[in-house]
Amino acid sequence: DAGVIQSPRHEVTEMGQEVTLRCKPISGHDYLFWYRQTMMRGLELLIYFNNNVPIDDSGMPEDRFSAKMPNASFSTLKIQPSEPRDSAVYFCASSFLRGPNTGELFFGEGSRLTVL
Amino acid sequence: QKEVEQNSGPLSVPEGAIASLNCTYSDRGSQSFFWYRQYSGKSPELIMSIYSNGDKEDGRFTAQLNKASQYVSLLIRDSQPSDSATYLCAVNLGVYNFNKFYFGSGTKLNVKP
Repeated sequence: DAGVIQSPRHEVTEMGQEVTLRCKPISGHDYLFWYRQTMMRGLELLIYFNNNVPIDDSGMPEDRFSAKMPNASFSTLKIQPSEPRDSAVYFCASSFLRGPNTGELFFGEGSRLTVL
Repeated sequence: QKEVEQNSGPLSVPEGAIASLNCTYSDRGSQSFFWYRQYSGKSPELIMSIYSNGDKEDGRFTAQLNKASQYVSLLIRDSQPSDSATYLCAVNLGVYNFNKFYFGSGTKLNVKP
């Protein structure tokens, strides 16, 4: 079975440009998470969806960030306009959660974003 | 205070030794605890989960949970150079937030041949 698929794997852009990161979760998983990883802040939860509905976006750093999940097999994370401090690895993860004693997250390979 | 705290390391151990990795968390209502391994340039992968107080063993790995002390640890016996990676502790935030997972900043482990 294919795992979580993210694209692009690497993105280099200039400050002010729009960036769109894409994610295809594992088929049958009903939770999707977007994380950002930097050396300084580690792995930060940005937003997560359940059955395509955003549940908690309290980790989204600013209004420049937005995320959508139009269907069960696709999600996007958009940054507009991008800034150098947005440079990080962005991970998408999916899961099939059924209560407090469950919870393996399956991560994609990540999208490494560099904003010049 | 961060939800999950880990010593960033690096922790260096000789091959064959026991590596001990520690994690503390702030939310007493947390229900589920996980250890992920992340190789350099790769994504995190789950190696252990633990939900109740005590020890849980899986091969060379043992997870230990003490909810009273809000403390989770991971022991790696007979450490191998291939265990060299960053180990991330993850915690969910209680019965009503079990879908929300927070990660520590990770402990880098170096196993020297």
